[in-house]
Amino acid sequence: AQTVTQSQPEMSVQEAETVTLSCTYDTSESDYYLFWYKQPPSRQMILVIRQEAYKQQNATENRFSVNFQKAAKSFSLKISDSQLGDAAMYFCALRATLWGGATNKLIFGTGTLLAVQP
Amino acid sequence: NAGVMQNPRHLVRRRGQEARLRCSPMKGHSHVYWYRQLPEEGLKFMVYLQKENIIDESGMPKERFSAEFPKEGPSILRIQQVVRGDSAAYFCASSPDQQGAYEQYFGPGTRLTVT
Repeated sequence: AQTVTQSQPEMSVQEAETVTLSCTYDTSESDYYLFWYKQPPSRQMILVIRQEAYKQQNATENRFSVNFQKAAKSFSLKISDSQLGDAAMYFCALRATLWGGATNKLIFGTGTLLAVQP
Repeated sequence: NAGVMQNPRHLVRRRGQEARLRCSPMKGHSHVYWYRQLPEEGLKFMVYLQKENIIDESGMPKERFSAEFPKEGPSILRIQQVVRGDSAAYFCASSPDQQGAYEQYFGPGTRLTVT
């Protein structure tokens, strides 16, 4: 079975500081994709960053970066220079590839609620 | 290019009624996914469709739930004889047709309340 685990239900960070959200996953596939999605109070799911498993280089999108440790099956999200607008629920997700690629479903973790203190 | 559209945004149904949720994917996308988010939980995959085909329905409850994505028109998630436990946010996502494309773009969701 493929699983995604987020062990931090809630996190808090001061504005302008850096915070790291943890995610571990399990899959027997060698080729897969990992994502971080943000869900603000509006509940819209917004893609923050993505990582292809075959790439060793960690993905970066402006203030957002990941620490992808393939052997440890770890995929943490670092938010630098935190802003009030970063306050949201953050979900880690794994794109499952089963049956020779017949499905593209995403498996989500339970989320981490991030609060940003002014 | 308009994003993924879902309607209605909010839907209230009494127990035993039918709920129909609609999803129009982004232009150029023929892959549609439905996810359900129960209160205080993450999103759970329900079904993956391409035009006129169900590719993976491993997350769909065996009874009362069905989904379609016809050749013309939006994808429909249908819930028959709704119960209180069906109250949730239902999200639709779509992905491009290009081989190797893997990002899923989400709609704003439909919040279903069963009274």
